[in-house]
Amino acid sequence: AQSVTQLGSHVSVSEGALVLLRCNYSSSVPPYLFWYVQYPNQGLQLLLKYTTGATLVKGINGFEAEFKKSETSFHLTKPSAHMSDAAEYFCAVSEKSGGYQKVTFGIGTKLQVIP
Amino acid sequence: DTGVSQNPRHKITKRGQNVTFRCDPISEHNRLYWYRQTLGQGPEFLTYFQNEAQLEKSRLLSDRFSAERPKGSFSTLEIQRTEQGDSAMYLCASSLARGAVYNEQFFGPGTRLTVL
Repeated sequence: AQSVTQLGSHVSVSEGALVLLRCNYSSSVPPYLFWYVQYPNQGLQLLLKYTTGATLVKGINGFEAEFKKSETSFHLTKPSAHMSDAAEYFCAVSEKSGGYQKVTFGIGTKLQVIP
Repeated sequence: DTGVSQNPRHKITKRGQNVTFRCDPISEHNRLYWYRQTLGQGPEFLTYFQNEAQLEKSRLLSDRFSAERPKGSFSTLEIQRTEQGDSAMYLCASSLARGAVYNEQFFGPGTRLTVL
């Protein structure tokens, strides 16, 4: 069974500082991995995804993540935080299950950006 | 195309009442998913449809929950005899299945249910 662990339910960074949100996964097969962002009272928006190929994945809004199979990790980073990055971020893993891609989400990390 | 839409956005009901939510997916998408998100948690899968067929249901979907997608377009999620534990955000997502290639799920804004 697949699972996702997000370390740190709340992360605070200063504006302009590095953002690092941690995600570790468990999967019995090569996984598809995702990061989603959720703003208050809104649905989820896909930031980036890893399916195959290059392990460093670039997404929207300057975010990127690196798939490290040996560490079963898919941490999300951004070199310089902006106030508009304050939101909740969800890491997710997907495996094929019964003909469709079953997506399992982590519990989320709330990012606070301090001016 | 304006993406996935859900109605209502907010619903407050008394315990024991029935509620129904609607999801309109992106028009050409053949797959539709329902998730539940409680406070402090990530979304949890409830069920999914391929066209009008409901192909998988989570054990989270008790007998009080029923979902339909009658013409393979919009979907409804009904909760009968609501309980306070049903209070959550109900998210709908849709995707266009293309064989073995992963297809992104696009999420709607959700319906927030509060059961008093």
